[in-house]
Amino acid sequence: EAGVTQSPRYAVLQEGQAVSFWCDPISGHDTLYWYQQPRDQGPQLLVYFRDEAVIDNSQLPSDRFSAVRPKGTNSTLKIQSAKQGDTATYLCASSFGTEQFFGPGTRLTVL
Amino acid sequence: QQKVQQSPESLIVPEGGMASLNCTSSDRNVDYFWWYRQHSGKSPKMLMSIFSNGEKEEGRFTVHLNKASLHTSLHIRDSQPSDSALYLCAAIASSGSWQLIFGSGTQLTVMP
Repeated sequence: EAGVTQSPRYAVLQEGQAVSFWCDPISGHDTLYWYQQPRDQGPQLLVYFRDEAVIDNSQLPSDRFSAVRPKGTNSTLKIQSAKQGDTATYLCASSFGTEQFFGPGTRLTVL
Repeated sequence: QQKVQQSPESLIVPEGGMASLNCTSSDRNVDYFWWYRQHSGKSPKMLMSIFSNGEKEEGRFTVHLNKASLHTSLHIRDSQPSDSALYLCAAIASSGSWQLIFGSGTQLTVMP
């Protein structure tokens, strides 16, 4: 069974640039999560979907971050104008039930 | 204020030794706990879950849960260098939104 896939694996930006992250969840998983994990910290939930609906995006900085899952399968997380404080690994996870399976993450560095 | 607190922040044990990691939730609605392991540069992988009071053992790993105090602990016996990783505790309130709330983790180093 294929796991959660993410791309790109790494991104390096200057402040003010935009970037998009893509996630393909495990087939059949209805719930998809985006987490931000700063270095040496635990993952912090940004947004999650059940099918195509946003269930909770209260932790998503809405002025610069957006996330979509239009067909209830793949998802894209976008940062419009990156800041140095956005430097972190962005993890996508999916689930069907309680256990979440994580992708390899995208390591973002904002200079 | 973080709802899931882990201690210690870092832990060094000798190969073959016992590692003990702690996790407490301040949210009285929490009733499920997970332990994840994250090797450097890799994604978190679920290690064990516990939902009921008591103890659960899988190989060298044992998890305890005290639901009254919302405290869980993970014990690794006969620690190996390959156990060196960030150990993350996560909690869910089944009466809420089913979101996993992660602690900041314990960085375990097993010295050969």
